[in-house]
Amino acid sequence: RKEVEQDPGPFNVPEGATVAFNCTYSNSASQSFFWYRQDCRKEPKLLMSVYSSGNEDGRFTAQLNRASQYISLLIRDSKLSDSATYLCVVNGGKGYSTLTFGKGTMLLVSP
Amino acid sequence: DGGITQSPKYLFRKEGQNVTLSCEQNLNHDAMYWYRQDPGQGLRLIYYSQIVNDFQKGDIAEGYSVSREKKESFPLTVTSAQKNPTAFYLCASSIAQGNEQYFGPGTRLTVT
Repeated sequence: RKEVEQDPGPFNVPEGATVAFNCTYSNSASQSFFWYRQDCRKEPKLLMSVYSSGNEDGRFTAQLNRASQYISLLIRDSKLSDSATYLCVVNGGKGYSTLTFGKGTMLLVSP
Repeated sequence: DGGITQSPKYLFRKEGQNVTLSCEQNLNHDAMYWYRQDPGQGLRLIYYSQIVNDFQKGDIAEGYSVSREKKESFPLTVTSAQKNPTAFYLCASSIAQGNEQYFGPGTRLTVT
């Protein structure tokens, strides 16, 4: 099983739609979870951390299910500017201090 | 402005030459990291450093070397031993182990 697995997409949605991405991870000892956003040919940027109780930041909601070892990201009222690749990130790769990045899920929002 | 800078943005080299990529941060972060990203691929960890004068190999360290003489700086040398050096190189830092990482804008290296 890959360490962090994501559906590569692309997810094609119209503006205003709600879209959800899931990600599974293999290391049950992982303690830190994040979603990053990466625009084409740019560096990844932190979107949000994922807490056990779930967390929301505006139109974005992240959930963690430790028992099933998956993380989700929900985007409501999609904007054209949300088009990007979303990376699921989990700690506990090479060492506790390192993060393991999924390959990302591409989102394309159309007018 | 606090952040991470990488230079140059684009770098072209001939095969057989060593090349050093710069990474500087003024966030006062202890930990720094180097990744490479190939088209359609995820980030792969090359080297990381948790404190000055100490660093560890990541998943793909062969053909690369690093130094961490100052807290702010973590340069990466791509040696001629690296078989496929053409890639997008990303430097990141975090305040401490396991925390979220912040990335520089990256260096695109092309070796011909």
